[in-house]
Amino acid sequence: EIHLLESGGDLVQPGGSLRLSCAASGFTFTNFAMNWVRQAPGKGLEWVSSISNVGGTTYYADSVKGRFTISRDNSKNTLVLQMDSLRVEDTALYYCAKDRGSWVRGVLDYWGQGALVTVFS
Amino acid sequence: DIQMTQSPSSLSASVGDRVNITCRASESIDRYLNWYQQKPGKAPKLLVYGASTLQDGVPSRFSGDGAGRDFTLTISSLQPEDFATYYCQHNYATPRFTFGPGTKVDLK
Repeated sequence: EIHLLESGGDLVQPGGSLRLSCAASGFTFTNFAMNWVRQAPGKGLEWVSSISNVGGTTYYADSVKGRFTISRDNSKNTLVLQMDSLRVEDTALYYCAKDRGSWVRGVLDYWGQGALVTVFS
Repeated sequence: DIQMTQSPSSLSASVGDRVNITCRASESIDRYLNWYQQKPGKAPKLLVYGASTLQDGVPSRFSGDGAGRDFTLTISSLQPEDFATYYCQHNYATPRFTFGPGTKVDLK
């Protein structure tokens, strides 16, 4: 059974940093691209970032480009989102999601339960 | 960037009803359109990808159709477990995967 477990969510002040992790199991992690999607309280879904299966290609939404960094450790089946220069508007539940393809296809077939990031002043 | 709209934003229906949710893209996205279901407090779940391909394990009462700019998710006979919010999402212009604003389906 495929399982994705996010961790690292916390309360942080504007300008601060957080590192989210996503532990993957139940599939061959190195064969699939991975994604982060966020959902602000009571709002819809927003794609944040994607990374190809071996990490050679990364993509970011304009809203986080230059502040967030996606990476992966295929030896540990772990996806990471390093979030710097956090803003109040980054407050959201951050989901880790598996892609159907080895490259970034954008079809998100399995999701974790999310990690809550709250940026407050 | 390609923008996605959905209609209606919410609807009330009864068990057994046929439900149609529409999604429109701001420009043609071929058939690069996916549908997700999200229940309160839960993660989204992929229902349909490539406009009409049902994800493994999704009941056959769900179906997707459309191409170009206009797409539809149909639930042929609404079940109690189908009350949820439904999102469309395009994956045409990789990697800017815009989601629609969602359609909430609740009990009449």
